[in-house]
Amino acid sequence: DAGVIQSPRHEVTEMGQEVTLRCKPISGHNSLFWYRQTMMRGLELLIYFNNNVPIDDSGMPEDRFSAKMPNASFSTLKIQPSEPRDSAVYFCASSSRGSGNTIYFGEGSWLTVV
Amino acid sequence: AQSVTQPDIHITVSEGASLELRCNYSYGATPYLFWYVQSPGQGLQLLLKYFSGDTLVQGIKGFEAEFKRSQSSFNLRKPSVHWSDAAEYFCALGNYGGSQGNLIFGKGTKLSVKP
Repeated sequence: DAGVIQSPRHEVTEMGQEVTLRCKPISGHNSLFWYRQTMMRGLELLIYFNNNVPIDDSGMPEDRFSAKMPNASFSTLKIQPSEPRDSAVYFCASSSRGSGNTIYFGEGSWLTVV
Repeated sequence: AQSVTQPDIHITVSEGASLELRCNYSYGATPYLFWYVQSPGQGLQLLLKYFSGDTLVQGIKGFEAEFKRSQSSFNLRKPSVHWSDAAEYFCALGNYGGSQGNLIFGKGTKLSVKP
């Protein structure tokens, strides 16, 4: 079975540019999570969705960040405009009651803003 | 408030030696606990999980963890470490306040293995 699929795997962009990260959750999973990992702060939850509806976005750092889940098989995390301090690894993850509420992670999108 | 503490930032063990990684949690109800492993440049892979029942949980790659409610701990163990176990290990607490929730992660413990 395919796991959580993220794209791009690596992105280098200039400050001020828009960045869009994409995620396809595991088929049948109805919860989707976006996490950010940095050396300083570790793994932080940015936002999560249940049944395509945002449940908790308290971790979204500021208005430059936005996330959408237009359907059960796709989500985006957008940063506009990007700043160097946004450089991090962004993980998408998904879960369902059928998976015992276990959260499965994608390989991550490694973002560098210069 | 819910939290997870991994007291050891970095541990070095010799190949073949036993390993124990510590994890303490703070949670008001019965916790859902997980251990994930992250190899360099990779995502997080689930090693094992505890939801209820037997307090000694077996996972993949020969790892096990023991839930001790009295100590609010969920330590990860392996009897004999292999060089390929070098990675970063994260303990996590399931925050299931509603139907499904998120994970609260510890800061991680980096494991180095000496030949």
